[in-house]
Amino acid sequence: TQLLEQSPQFLSIQERENLTVYCNSSSVFSSLQWYRQEPGEGPVLLVTVVTGGEVKKLKRLTFQFGDARKDSSLHITAAQPGDTGLYLCAGADDYKLSFGAGTTVTVRA
Amino acid sequence: DAMVIQNPRYQVTQFGKPVTLSCSQTLNHNVMYWYQQKSSQAPKLLFHYYDKDFNNEADTPDNFQSRRPNTSFCFLDIRSPGLGDAAMYLCATSVNGREQFFGPGTRLTVL
Repeated sequence: TQLLEQSPQFLSIQERENLTVYCNSSSVFSSLQWYRQEPGEGPVLLVTVVTGGEVKKLKRLTFQFGDARKDSSLHITAAQPGDTGLYLCAGADDYKLSFGAGTTVTVRA
Repeated sequence: DAMVIQNPRYQVTQFGKPVTLSCSQTLNHNVMYWYQQKSSQAPKLLFHYYDKDFNNEADTPDNFQSRRPNTSFCFLDIRSPGLGDAAMYLCATSVNGREQFFGPGTRLTVL
């Protein structure tokens, strides 16, 4: 089993501040996904990154995939209360995902 | 809209009383997954189907079984639920294994 480590585990910030969540592994993944999960709901896919060094933007969210395809980051600019949730990174391997433990983000109004 | 549907959203059962959770999809994806998620933890894969090919994770308890009668439906059977089986159960589908689409989950309570 390939392990993904996420940091920090918890993050609480004020509205309009910026935040970054990190996802690191000692293994290379063919692709990496980021999901957001709200309480009582299933995870929702935000983005897939495939190419080393890739940067993808989704409105105020910026995703980076490391050059060696072992790490990734999620940056949120000017966070809003609606960004509150559990952020999960997951690496794909042979039709299965290895999930990180998640980062719980709370954005206070 | 194409989607993954799980029923029921909330299930209460008694210790040792069998329970079945269901999942259906309109995405026509060939891969379906069942995950167990406990509070503030990552989802833990129980098993997955690639078409009709069943794949069990090595650490999935024997108490958990699954059926996939056709492409659209998949069931999770818990034969004798224990208190430790109380969790959120998530169904997901995929066409390529890396981008998985999750249902809303079934919250199982064991009394």
